[in-house]
Amino acid sequence: AQKITQTQPGMFVQEKEAVTLDCTYDTSDPSYGLFWYKQPSSGEMIFLIYQGSYDQQNATEGRYSLNFQKARKSANLVISASQLGDSAMYFCAMRERTSYDKVIFGPGTSLSVIP
Amino acid sequence: NAGVTQTPKFRVLKTGQSMTLLCAQDMNHEYMYWYRQDPGMGLRLIHYSVGEGTTAKGEVPDGYNVSRLKKQNFLLGLESAAPSQTSVYFCASSYGAGGDASGETQYFGPGTRLLVL
Repeated sequence: AQKITQTQPGMFVQEKEAVTLDCTYDTSDPSYGLFWYKQPSSGEMIFLIYQGSYDQQNATEGRYSLNFQKARKSANLVISASQLGDSAMYFCAMRERTSYDKVIFGPGTSLSVIP
Repeated sequence: NAGVTQTPKFRVLKTGQSMTLLCAQDMNHEYMYWYRQDPGMGLRLIHYSVGEGTTAKGEVPDGYNVSRLKKQNFLLGLESAAPSQTSVYFCASSYGAGGDASGETQYFGPGTRLLVL
C-alpha cells in the first residue's frame, strides 16, 4: 500500500501568489517525522521543512510552512509569495520511528511558477 | 566539509556487467541510504544502514547489495546489471536519532546516472 500520496502531478502558480502542495500519508506508527524536499531541474535534493508527529505547532521556514492535520494524516506544503526559482519537483516524505528506520518518499508534484 | 559525495557521476554498463557505486559522508552520520529515482516514481529506497557494519533492505532491494564497512562509506553493488536498473541513484545520510529535524533530516549526494544497455 502506498504510504505517501501526492495527488497533484503538476501545478501552476502565478509569481508572487501562494500555492499549496498536497500530501497525505498512511501510518499506524504513533511516532513519525514528515519532510518536504525540493528537486530543481539540476537534480539535487534540497531539504525544505520538517514536522514531527508530536509537534504542537505547524512548522515554518521562511516562505515555507507545513499545514499539519494529524487526524486527517495530511501534511501540505504552503509556499508563500512564489518566485520563479520555486519551479521544481517537490517531494513529501515520512519516517516511521518505532516500526522502521527508513524514509519513504511520495511520487512528487511538479510546480511551475508563471511570470 | 564536502557533505555527501557520490562516485561516479555517470556510468554506462552493458547487461550482465557489475559495478559498485560509492557514497561517502563527512558529517559523522550514523544512518545512510541508497535510493533510485525513476520518472514518475519519486525516490524508492533500495537499502539502508543504521550504523557501521549493519544494513537492511528497503522497498526495492532485488539485484543490489550493499556494505557499510566504515561509518563514512556506504557502497551499492550491482552484480549483474539489467536494463531495468537504468536510473538515477541517490545516496543520503542523517544522524538518525533525536526525533527532530536535526536528527532526522537527510542530506543527499548529487546522484549517479546509470545507463544499462
